[in-house]
Amino acid sequence: DIQMTQSPSSLSASVGDRVTITCQASQGVSNYLNWYQQKPGKAPKLLIYDVSNLETGVPSRFSGSGSGTDFTFTISSLQPEDIATYYCQQYDDLVALTFGGGTKVEIK
Amino acid sequence: QVQLVESGGGVVQPGRSLRLSCAASGFTFSDFGIHWVRQAPGKGLEWVAVISYDGGSRFYSDSVKGRFTVSRDNSKNTVDLQMNSLRPDDTAVYFCARDASVVAVVSYPAYWGQGTLVTVSS
Repeated sequence: DIQMTQSPSSLSASVGDRVTITCQASQGVSNYLNWYQQKPGKAPKLLIYDVSNLETGVPSRFSGSGSGTDFTFTISSLQPEDIATYYCQQYDDLVALTFGGGTKVEIK
Repeated sequence: QVQLVESGGGVVQPGRSLRLSCAASGFTFSDFGIHWVRQAPGKGLEWVAVISYDGGSRFYSDSVKGRFTVSRDNSKNTVDLQMNSLRPDDTAVYFCARDASVVAVVSYPAYWGQGTLVTVSS
């Protein structure tokens, strides 16, 4: 299976800060890389698909980039409602989808 | 809008079986695959299984292969996850999620239900 390594596992930032999360795949996943947001007690929500495409209705402060094995998720200006855990996920291997370990984002 | 509602969770003893169900509405059910993803308490997301839009393709994670079976009834807009030989490490919230791609084998989970908790304990 393709392993997805996210870092950091948690971070604390101030409102308005730029927040960056990285995700590294154990082998190339082409552009089959998504990002999900999960708020406490809630179901995950798809934010970005295929590396950099924003799901409908997702604020433009969220963005994604990268290729091959190295990917980045960015919140350009952290807002209080962005408190959540964020997961990357690959679907290059369709018979074994895998998620990163998650990054918990908190407000400083 | 897309709605997915899981049911069937509960407390079960190790070695026993449980059947989860996912009821869907708000889209043409027979056009989309359905995934099951689980989350152990305080842990991350783990993909479990997927069934294609027509039931012709089914894939499982290594951790459940041979113990879990996914099926669907397109006349009832439901997907079931039959879980046999349950172990304590199967304890988790189980989410069903609609695939992103129409009439495709599978791609990725796009819309999620709220989940149902399965606890495996004696």
